[in-house]
Amino acid sequence: EPEVTQTPSHQVTQMGQEVILRCVPISNHLYFYWYRQILGQKVEFLVSFYNNEISEKSEIFDDQFSVERPDGSNFTLKIRSTKLEDSAMYFCASSEGSLEYGYTFGSGTRLTVV
Amino acid sequence: AQTVTQSQPEMSVQEAETVTLSCTYDTSESNYYLFWYKQPPSRQMILVIRQEAYKQQNATENRFSVNFQKAAKSFSLKISDSQLGDTAMYFCAFMTYNYGQNFVFGPGTRLSVLP
Repeated sequence: EPEVTQTPSHQVTQMGQEVILRCVPISNHLYFYWYRQILGQKVEFLVSFYNNEISEKSEIFDDQFSVERPDGSNFTLKIRSTKLEDSAMYFCASSEGSLEYGYTFGSGTRLTVV
Repeated sequence: AQTVTQSQPEMSVQEAETVTLSCTYDTSESNYYLFWYKQPPSRQMILVIRQEAYKQQNATENRFSVNFQKAAKSFSLKISDSQLGDTAMYFCAFMTYNYGQNFVFGPGTRLSVLP
C-alpha cells in the first residue's frame, strides 16, 4: 500500500536554529498538508498546498514557517529560528483531493527544540 | 466555526468486550465527512473508519462501526471484541469542502484495552 514518508523521524535542534522537515507524498496525490501535534494535545492544521502554492493556512502558520515542493516528489516544511514551543510532532499528509477517502498521513517527525 | 468534542479523555475496556467512544461536532454545513483516526504509541495516524454525512447507513469496518446521528451531530465509534492492539489514542475528525478540505480534530480519547 502506498505510503507517505517523512524524514527524519526525530530531530533535535537548538533554539534559534532553522529546521527543514521532509516528506515524500504518495505519487499520484495532488494535495499536501502539514499538521502539528504538541505533546498531549490535539492535532492541528498548519497548511495545505496545491498546484505549487499554499491553498490555505492556519493562524499557527506565521512568517516563521514556509513550505516548498522543490522537485516532483518532496514536500518540505521549513521552520526559521525555532522556538521552544515549536517542539511537537509534525505530520505530513497527502490526498487525491476527494474528501471521501480523507488523507494518508505520514508517520511523523518528532521535533525537539532545546 | 467547526468544532469537534470528545467528552471522554480516557477509557478502558477488558479484552474481548465492546466499548463505545463518543464524538459530537458543530457545523452549519450540510455536506461533510467524519472520520475516526487511531494513534498508537508509535504516534502514526491511522484511519479507522469514515462516514459521509449524506449517507444514512452507518459505516462498518470489521470490528469497528459507527453510530451516526446527523440531527444530533453525534458520531460515536463502537469497537467490538476489543484487542490489546486497539490500545491507542482515538481522534474524531470532521472535514468539509467549504473548509478547505482540512481536518478539524477532536481532543482525543485515550483507550486502554486490559488483558
